[in-house]
Amino acid sequence: KQEVTQIPAALSVPEGENLVLNCSFTDSAIYNLQWFRQDPGKGLTSLLLIQSSQREQTSGRLNASLDKSSGRSTLYIAASQPGDSATYLCAVRGGSNYKLTFGKGTLLTVNP
Amino acid sequence: DTAVSQTPKYLVTQMGNDKSIKCEQNLGHDTMYWYKQDSKKFLKIMFSYNNKELIINETVPNRFSPKSPDKAHLNLHINSLELGDSAVYFCASSQSRYEQYFGPGTRLTVT
Repeated sequence: KQEVTQIPAALSVPEGENLVLNCSFTDSAIYNLQWFRQDPGKGLTSLLLIQSSQREQTSGRLNASLDKSSGRSTLYIAASQPGDSATYLCAVRGGSNYKLTFGKGTLLTVNP
Repeated sequence: DTAVSQTPKYLVTQMGNDKSIKCEQNLGHDTMYWYKQDSKKFLKIMFSYNNKELIINETVPNRFSPKSPDKAHLNLHINSLELGDSAVYFCASSQSRYEQYFGPGTRLTVT
């Protein structure tokens, strides 16, 4: 059974700082990995999708890496802004039915 | 242009009632999903349909019944609502096993 862990559970940083969010998963036989952000009371917004054959993906100030063999992914956010404050969720797709398994998220607060 | 939409956004009802949540996607995707986010914000898959065929059916009480009238719609019907059903329910869609897009959620409160 796939388990996804996100560390830290919460993170508070001053504006402008670069930061890294961590995600680990127990079963390395994944199809892809997706990072989302969720604002309070809102739905999930997809940030980046990394296929199992890829090592990283970039979108603007975001860079996600994947090390499938060690069961790890990181989300790097450069020059953080208060608008980046949200919960960041990592999810891996795999298993016989290719379902998406989520971590519990990292609550990020960027202070002005 | 709303990609994945759900109605209603909020649903307050009493125990024992039957209710439905509707979901529509205009992305042309072939796969749709229902997720439940509990009070601790943990997201878990409930069901998935591919081309109107049920492909994922997690350990969910049979009071929950999904219905997919066509590829663009996936509805969730809940019978005999219980207090523990209170949660936020999210619909999502994807093209096969690729990137999933989520709706805004339906907050269900059972009193």
